Amino acid sequence: KAGVTQTPRYLIKTRGQQVTLSCSPISGHRSVSWYQQTPGQGLQFLFEYFSETQRNKGNFPGRFSGRQFSNSRSEMNVSTLELGDSALYLCASSPSGAGGEPQHFGDGTRLSIL
Amino acid sequence: GDSVTQMEGPVTLSEEAFLTINCTYTATGYPSLFWYVQYPGEGLQLLLKATKADDKGSNKGFEATYRKETTSFHLEKGSVQVSDSAVYFCAYKETSGSRLTFGEGTQLTVNP
Repeated sequence: KAGVTQTPRYLIKTRGQQVTLSCSPISGHRSVSWYQQTPGQGLQFLFEYFSETQRNKGNFPGRFSGRQFSNSRSEMNVSTLELGDSALYLCASSPSGAGGEPQHFGDGTRLSIL
Repeated sequence: GDSVTQMEGPVTLSEEAFLTINCTYTATGYPSLFWYVQYPGEGLQLLLKATKADDKGSNKGFEATYRKETTSFHLEKGSVQVSDSAVYFCAYKETSGSRLTFGEGTQLTVNP
């Protein structure tokens, strides 16, 4: 069974630009969550999508947005990039997101802002 | 608010030494608890989990017991190997919802 696939693996952008990251969950998984990982703040939850609806949202500005398609694939968009947005962005999937279901992570997209 | 606290790192051990990484949490209700491991350049891999009090999660020689009375989920391994060198994250998930709250991570280095 294929794991969670994130593309691209690396991105370099400049301040003010926007970026879109993609995540394909494990087949059959309908819940997709996004996390930001930085040395200073650690792992922080961005948002979760289930059945094309945002079900949960972390404490990030509106520049961070996402969506989910009918095949459960998800995209995350960051507009007006800032230097502080440089991070590893991780996507995770699970069957329904409920209870004790563990989340399965992709290898992430490394975003660098110049 | 809800949080997870891990022992400060980094931790450096010799091969075959005993490992303990402490993890305590502050949460309402009855969360599920997880340990994840991250190798350089990779995402997080689930190491083990426990979903209710007194559950013991185990995998690849690692163990952790869900202690509700002390709100802890300490990770242990009896004999570490060089290949165990990685960053370990403790995390919890509330009963409702899929948000994982992570600890700060503990860098483990095992020397031969």
